[in-house]
Amino acid sequence: AQSVTQLGSHVSVSEGALVLLRCNYSSSVPPYLFWYVQYPNQGLQLLLKYTTGATLVKGINGFEAEFKKSETSFHLTKPSAHMSDAAEYFCAVSPFGNEKLTFGTGTRLTIIP
Amino acid sequence: DADVTQTPRNRITKTGKRIMLECSQTKGHDRMYWYRQDPGLGLQLIYYSFDVKDINKGEISDGYSVSRQAQAKFSLSLESAIPNQTALYFCATSDSTGNTYGYTFGSGTRLTVV
Repeated sequence: AQSVTQLGSHVSVSEGALVLLRCNYSSSVPPYLFWYVQYPNQGLQLLLKYTTGATLVKGINGFEAEFKKSETSFHLTKPSAHMSDAAEYFCAVSPFGNEKLTFGTGTRLTIIP
Repeated sequence: DADVTQTPRNRITKTGKRIMLECSQTKGHDRMYWYRQDPGLGLQLIYYSFDVKDINKGEISDGYSVSRQAQAKFSLSLESAIPNQTALYFCATSDSTGNTYGYTFGSGTRLTVV
C-alpha cells in the first residue's frame, strides 16, 4: 500500500521568501507523484506531476518539485512567494499500474505581507 | 460550464435522512471518484468507478452508497445521515491513464448533518 506524509500542517512565509512544502511517500512500486492546490471554496487543481523521466518538474504559477528516490521525497518549492499563493496544498501518490490517488493530509500555506 | 459539476454546493440535513449528492462531467472520462475532505485528514476515497459497470469501495465506504447512472454521472448517497458525515465532498474524474494526467475535481459539496 502507498502512503504520503506532509510535514507541517501549517506553513507561513513572508512575501518574496522561498516556499518549501515537504512531502515524503512510501510505495512498493515506482510512484507517480502529484501536487494539488486548493483555494478557498474551490476544488483541487493540479499544480504539477512526476511520472517518469526528468526528476525536476515544473508546474503552474512558478512552482516546481524534485523527485528524489533515495529520500522518497517530492518537496514543492517556489523561489518567491506571492500573496496569491495562500492556499492549501496536497501531495498525492499513485503507484504505477494503480490509478487511485492517495493524498496527504495537506499543508496550509499563509503568506505574510 | 465547469468540466465537473457537483450539486448541491451546500446542504444541511437532519440526522437519519437520506441524501444524494450528484456529480456530472463533460470531460468524457471513464473513471469517477468520490472523496471526503475533513480538516487535518486530507482527502479519503469513498467509492470509485472505472466504467459504468464497475463500482469499487474505497477506504471509508461504510454508510455510503453510489450509483453510476451513465458515463457522465456518478451519485453518492448517504442512506441515513449522521453528524460525523459532516464534511466537504468532492467528485473527481480521470481518463484511463488517470495516473498520468491526474484528476479533474469538482468544486465540492459542503454537507452538514445536524
